[in-house]
Amino acid sequence: GAVVSQHPSWVICKSGTSVKIECRSLDFQATTMFWYRQFPKQSLMLMATSNEGSKATYEQGVEKDKFLINHASLTLSTLTVTSAHPEDSSFYICSARNRASGRETQYFGPGTRLLVL
Amino acid sequence: GIQVEQSPPDLILQEGANSTLRCNFSDSVNNLQWFHQNPWGQLINLFYIPSGTKQNGRLSATTVATERYSLLYISSSQTTDSGVYFCAVPRRGRRDDKIIFGKGTRLHILP
Repeated sequence: GAVVSQHPSWVICKSGTSVKIECRSLDFQATTMFWYRQFPKQSLMLMATSNEGSKATYEQGVEKDKFLINHASLTLSTLTVTSAHPEDSSFYICSARNRASGRETQYFGPGTRLLVL
Repeated sequence: GIQVEQSPPDLILQEGANSTLRCNFSDSVNNLQWFHQNPWGQLINLFYIPSGTKQNGRLSATTVATERYSLLYISSSQTTDSGVYFCAVPRRGRRDDKIIFGKGTRLHILP
């Protein structure tokens, strides 16, 4: 149980295009999902918290118009990197919290590697 | 906010060796998790251990909440144990669904 998927697993795009990343909880309902960014050999940095049916909350320094988050259902959150530039190249990871487990445990997707040329 | 420090930052061991990874945190927490990030980037939940000791096969973890540290033990290391080990705690210590990660311990097991 507690499986989280992400799609795509990797994407290469030209500068200026938009890229959408999907995060799905496959076997549980997630009222809250989280989006992280990880640069090579660094730790995970929280970008935003996605709440089903409401607006996402963004961490300080994260541009909400740049990184659009939609949490349309209890099993799906999407992150859209708009007008991507080379500095947006990174490893993006989502997680979902399984409230039914009674624990504050987050389960992570396999990540999406984005390379912007 | 709460600070999380992990040590050592890097560890290279021969297959079969044992290791101890440490996570120190600067304030009281009611939740601590250990993760293994494999070489492909997937984070795998190892332990949810706000206090006490747990064991799962060759891995075990102990959190001493009053002294603000947690230890992850890996016995009889295998090459598949390679990767980065992170600990994570609630960003504000308690009642916070946002977690903050330490910088991790990068473990490399040699065959």
